[in-house]
Amino acid sequence: DTGVSQDPRHKITKRGQNVTFRCDPISEHNRLYWYRQTLGQGPEFLTYFQNEAQLEKSRLLSDRFSAERPKGSFSTLEIQRTEQGDSAMYLCASSLLRGEAFFGQGTRLTVV
Amino acid sequence: GIQVEQSPPDLILQEGANSTLRCNFSDSVNNLQWFHQNPWGQLINLFYIPSGTKQNGRLSATTVATERYSLLYISSSQTTDSGVYFCALGQTGTASKLTFGTGTRLQVTL
Repeated sequence: DTGVSQDPRHKITKRGQNVTFRCDPISEHNRLYWYRQTLGQGPEFLTYFQNEAQLEKSRLLSDRFSAERPKGSFSTLEIQRTEQGDSAMYLCASSLLRGEAFFGQGTRLTVV
Repeated sequence: GIQVEQSPPDLILQEGANSTLRCNFSDSVNNLQWFHQNPWGQLINLFYIPSGTKQNGRLSATTVATERYSLLYISSSQTTDSGVYFCALGQTGTASKLTFGTGTRLQVTL
């Protein structure tokens, strides 16, 4: 296991289209997190899963955003009807129940 | 929620110089991590240090949880140390989600 993996690395989409990102966590980690990072800022928490249960969502996660983690393994983050303000780096992280979080390489989204 | 302040916001060093980055926080924490974000956006784990002192090569970190601050020391800086350094905290009583500071942008010149 080489760490947290995200796909794709880059995505350019037209405003109004839907996009989906995938995250594969470190295999023994039962917690999985999504963060968003805009230019010049630190990452901001969006949501997290413990196994397959989504236990917390930030108010940043509007109705157009949905995340899933079927069977407690990989996770997907979907953005519907993308807007230019959704352009950002989307980061996934995983951890054990307590302890250090490890991040993937991120998916850079550009909405044109 | 917990407040995280990092200083300085920007730092320019000559290669070989030493530096200290500071992270102040407003509440008790159960998790504190230091990251280096490389030019491609990847967050590289430097230290997991909710309390105490750790060293890894030219880098070391100290967290004084009772006084709500953490320090990252970089000695004999190299150009490859350039990038943004983030402090990120997990507030006690939350589910280990991290709250990030705004970072310190470090540039190491020849």
